[in-house]
Amino acid sequence: KAGVTQTPRYLIKTRGQQVTLSCSPISGHRSVSWYQQTPGQGLQFLFEYFSETQRNKGNFPGRFSGRQFSNSRSEMNVSTLELGDSALYLCASSFLAGETQYFGPGTRLLVL
Amino acid sequence: GDSVTQMEGPVTLSEEAFLTINCTYTATGYPSLFWYVQYPGEGLQLLLKATKADDKGSNKGFEATYRKETTSFHLEKGSVQVSDSAVYFCALSEQSNYQLIWGAGTKLIIKP
Repeated sequence: KAGVTQTPRYLIKTRGQQVTLSCSPISGHRSVSWYQQTPGQGLQFLFEYFSETQRNKGNFPGRFSGRQFSNSRSEMNVSTLELGDSALYLCASSFLAGETQYFGPGTRLLVL
Repeated sequence: GDSVTQMEGPVTLSEEAFLTINCTYTATGYPSLFWYVQYPGEGLQLLLKATKADDKGSNKGFEATYRKETTSFHLEKGSVQVSDSAVYFCALSEQSNYQLIWGAGTKLIIKP
């Protein structure tokens, strides 16, 4: 069974631009969560989607948004990029919310 | 709110030494507890988990026991190898809010 895939793996953007990251969950998994990992703040929860509905959101500004499609694939979008948005963005999927989450390799975003 | 505290690293050991990485938690409900491992340049891999008090999770020689009385989930391994060098994260999940709460991570360095 294929694992969680994330595209792209690496991304370089400049301040003020916007970016869209994609995540394909493990087949059959309906819950997708996004996390941001930085050296200073560690791992922080962004949001969780289940059946195309956002059910929980972390403490991030409105520039961070996401969505989930009917096939459970998910995208997250960051608008008006800031230098501090440079991070590894991790996507995780689980069959149901609250169950074990399985992570993708992440997308490393560098904002210049 | 919920939180996870784990011992600061880096932890440096010689090959075949005994490993303990301490993890304690604060939670309002009855969370599931996890250890994830992150190898350099990679995403997070689930190492082991426990879903209720006194459960023992184990995998690849690593073990951790869910201790409700001490709110702890310490990671142990009897004989570490160089290949165990990585960053280890303790995390908890409550079914009520669909997110993982993370410790800061402990970097483990094993010297031959």
